[in-house]
Amino acid sequence: ETGVTQTPRHLVMGMTNKKSLKCEQHLGHNAMYWYKQSAKKPLELMFVYSLEERVENNSVPSRFSPECPNSSHLFLHLHTLQPEDSALYLCASSQDSGAGAIYNEQFFGPGTRLTVL
Amino acid sequence: AQKVTQAQTEISVVEKEDVTLDCVYETRDTTYYLFWYKQPPSGELVFLIRRNSFDEQNEISGRYSWNFQKSTSSFNFTITASQVVDSAVYFCALRGNAGNMLTFGGGTRLMVKP
Repeated sequence: ETGVTQTPRHLVMGMTNKKSLKCEQHLGHNAMYWYKQSAKKPLELMFVYSLEERVENNSVPSRFSPECPNSSHLFLHLHTLQPEDSALYLCASSQDSGAGAIYNEQFFGPGTRLTVL
Repeated sequence: AQKVTQAQTEISVVEKEDVTLDCVYETRDTTYYLFWYKQPPSGELVFLIRRNSFDEQNEISGRYSWNFQKSTSSFNFTITASQVVDSAVYFCALRGNAGNMLTFGGGTRLMVKP
């Protein structure tokens, strides 16, 4: 595997289900991100992890719960979602070296298309 | 607050035409970074270019070129002799000098017809 991979690619769930999205990066990066892309809104940053610590939580509802067990893996745990949460969820990674290198580009996975019924 | 505006939501051209995608940004940071990404139908965002605020040199890469104008806060992207494979959604993005947050524009959907 190369780059950033995401599983599953498609997910349909009911509002009472619990599911998890998985992201894995094979680039040796130290920062990972979750974005939400819905039909009528720009890409929205949800969470940022740098060196396995959450550094950004962009006012995301608690029904979305991220987990970063190591620098290569990122999960997004979902529970009691709403139909408006249906969207493409994108994971990204980058190499951030603390005070510097904020210019480094983010590399994206193919996304998980989530449909909440 | 930072903001990126891509006023063109959708552009349709015929193959071999040149096309320019506009991007206007707002930031109070004196140091910032601008990016363009391409999102084909498969969904994955593909990095195209990064430019920092101190480097106003235009760049050309094959059929792609970028025009960074700090005076007008614009970072426009031109595709010369467009091809069907260029059909995608293109996003302009801005990152300031603190934090990890990348602010995206709304995207421009480019359709290149044969």
